[in-house]
Amino acid sequence: QVQLQQSGAELVKPGTSVKLSCKASGYTFTSNHMNWIKQTTGQGLEWIGIINPGSGGTSYNVKFKGKATLTVDKSSSTAFMQLSSLTPEDSAVYYCARASDGTYDYWGQGVMVTVSS
Amino acid sequence: DIQMTQSPASLSASLGETVTIECRASEDIYNGLAWYQQKPGKSPQLLIYNANSLHTGVPSRFSGSGSGTQYSLKINSLQSEDVASYFCQQYYDYPDTFGAGTKLELK
Repeated sequence: QVQLQQSGAELVKPGTSVKLSCKASGYTFTSNHMNWIKQTTGQGLEWIGIINPGSGGTSYNVKFKGKATLTVDKSSSTAFMQLSSLTPEDSAVYYCARASDGTYDYWGQGVMVTVSS
Repeated sequence: DIQMTQSPASLSASLGETVTIECRASEDIYNGLAWYQQKPGKSPQLLIYNANSLHTGVPSRFSGSGSGTQYSLKINSLQSEDVASYFCQQYYDYPDTFGAGTKLELK
């Protein structure tokens, strides 16, 4: 069965970076693009970007360009998202979600990132 | 960006009742719409895609309809396990955008 296993919660200081991981199993990793989504109580769900695990090609929401960097490691079927220059506004739950014809058919369990000094 | 306006923000209904949640897009999204269910502390789960197609394993009491800019999710014969938040998402145009969500509770 398809599973997306995300890394654990992060407590990080403002101005630093954090790299989140999403390990895929139960399907051919390069067969589906991978999305990343941010969820906050105030802003709801926001699409951050998408990566093609086969080619490494990416597309970002303009709002997150310069903030998020998506990469993959095909050898371990793992997708990564690095968030840089963190501020309290980056505190959120972040999800990876497998792309399927525009929708997100499987989601990771989410990882809470807290930015605080 | 395409704006998705979802209503109502919250909804209280009784077991066995039929409930409807609406989503309006700021422009025609040509049925590029999905609905998700999110239970407390869990990740969202896909229910409906292409506005009216049921995702694998989703109970048939869930259905989607609509076209153009107006879409709806209907839940027939509400069950206790349907207590959750529901979100619409348009994927007709980048960036994908979501409705603000509807919190469904039992009366």
